[in-house]
Amino acid sequence: SAVISQKPSRDICQRGTSLTIQCQVDSQVTMMFWYRQQPGQSLTLIATANQGSEATYESGFVIDKFPISRPNLTFSTLTVSNMSPEDSSIYLCSASGWNTGELFFGEGSRLTVL
Amino acid sequence: AQRVTQPEKLLSVFKGAPVELKCNYSYSGSPELFWYVQYSRQRLQLLLRHISRESIKGFTADLNKGETSFHLKKPFAQEEDSAMYYCALQANTGNQFYFGTGTSLTVIP
Repeated sequence: SAVISQKPSRDICQRGTSLTIQCQVDSQVTMMFWYRQQPGQSLTLIATANQGSEATYESGFVIDKFPISRPNLTFSTLTVSNMSPEDSSIYLCSASGWNTGELFFGEGSRLTVL
Repeated sequence: AQRVTQPEKLLSVFKGAPVELKCNYSYSGSPELFWYVQYSRQRLQLLLRHISRESIKGFTADLNKGETSFHLKKPFAQEEDSAMYYCALQANTGNQFYFGTGTSLTVIP
């Protein structure tokens, strides 16, 4: 199993600013993903964080808006850039080993944009 | 493109009654299917996966490829089963997980 820590757990931000969310896993994992969960909605995959290379983004998400880093096997960051109220959401970091079939989740970062 | 559909946003059953949470999927390849659960104030966690064909907390789910369904069932619901349930599909290229919209289950005492 893997324990995932995210910070900040919540934040209130002003429109137009950027916020970086950090994700730390307590063991080496192969796959790391970032999800968004908007109020009353499901988890939407933003991107796969690839170690040492550019993240792989899902349709509707772009690097300029959601730059992602993954410098090693246990750490990743997601930045929400030039925020607007529509970006208010819970952002979840998740991780799994290759083909283990189980995804572990952080507790989420609740972001409110005013 | 992949899609996971959970038609019921809310489901309420009485304690001891059978419960079925529906999940349908569409995917061009052969996906792996899972059920994840989120109890109040806890993080999302795996409940069961179709390849293991096991029963967890009395829940079972059978993959029906003909109907592209993976419904979650339990014969006798318990109060502690009240939670948010998500059906998920793992792509066999890239290993990404895609989630349904979730079903909030309430078991009435």
